[in-house]
Amino acid sequence: DAKTTQPPSMDCAEGRAANLPCNHSTISGNEYVYWYRQIHSQGPQYIIHGLKNNETNEMASLIITEDRKSSTLILPHATLRDTAVYYCIVRVGGGNQGGKLIFGQGTELSVKP
Amino acid sequence: GAVVSQHPSWVICKSGTSVKIECRSLDFQATTMFWYRQFPKQSLMLMATSNEGSKATYEQGVEKDKFLINHASLTLSTLTVTSAHPEDSSFYICSATGLDNEQFFGPGTRLTVL
Repeated sequence: DAKTTQPPSMDCAEGRAANLPCNHSTISGNEYVYWYRQIHSQGPQYIIHGLKNNETNEMASLIITEDRKSSTLILPHATLRDTAVYYCIVRVGGGNQGGKLIFGQGTELSVKP
Repeated sequence: GAVVSQHPSWVICKSGTSVKIECRSLDFQATTMFWYRQFPKQSLMLMATSNEGSKATYEQGVEKDKFLINHASLTLSTLTVTSAHPEDSSFYICSATGLDNEQFFGPGTRLTVL
């Protein structure tokens, strides 16, 4: 079973920041938080991952709480092409051990004009 | 990022026939490949994990004799759906992990069994 819970759906206005929450209260010390997204009928696309520090790349920012029980993915300026299902995943085995990804139900983000 | 391809992108077959789906890592050597299945409006379900040169590890409830996985090289894994039936119709997705242990996904293969 997935170790994360996410809201099933969210809306965001185009050009605004999209903040997607994720709860992972049973995360272990060596487990990383990964975010992927899936646009309809395509394979999932990697977005970002982190262990305990906040991370930022060209796609998004990841904010992880100090107790690591929850995190937020931030898309700073959402566009219509960001409409997708976003999956928050706790990686079994940790980032350096090639652990498998167990997908939950994800959050369906709709970016509206 | 690294590129993973799948072939075919879609396939239609008759009930009772077998279908082979290929997954290739195009610009890196994949130490591990994973196979997922996704039904409409549902999340991805992990079916099995395969390592080059060894037998695949199947998730609970996945029939290993029904879904044959071969990982003959560091760039190719195949999934064969044997004696396919309409309930096997689904979106099959593979992913590959390289030396940095990051997973990259293929574009998926849509299987329709008539």
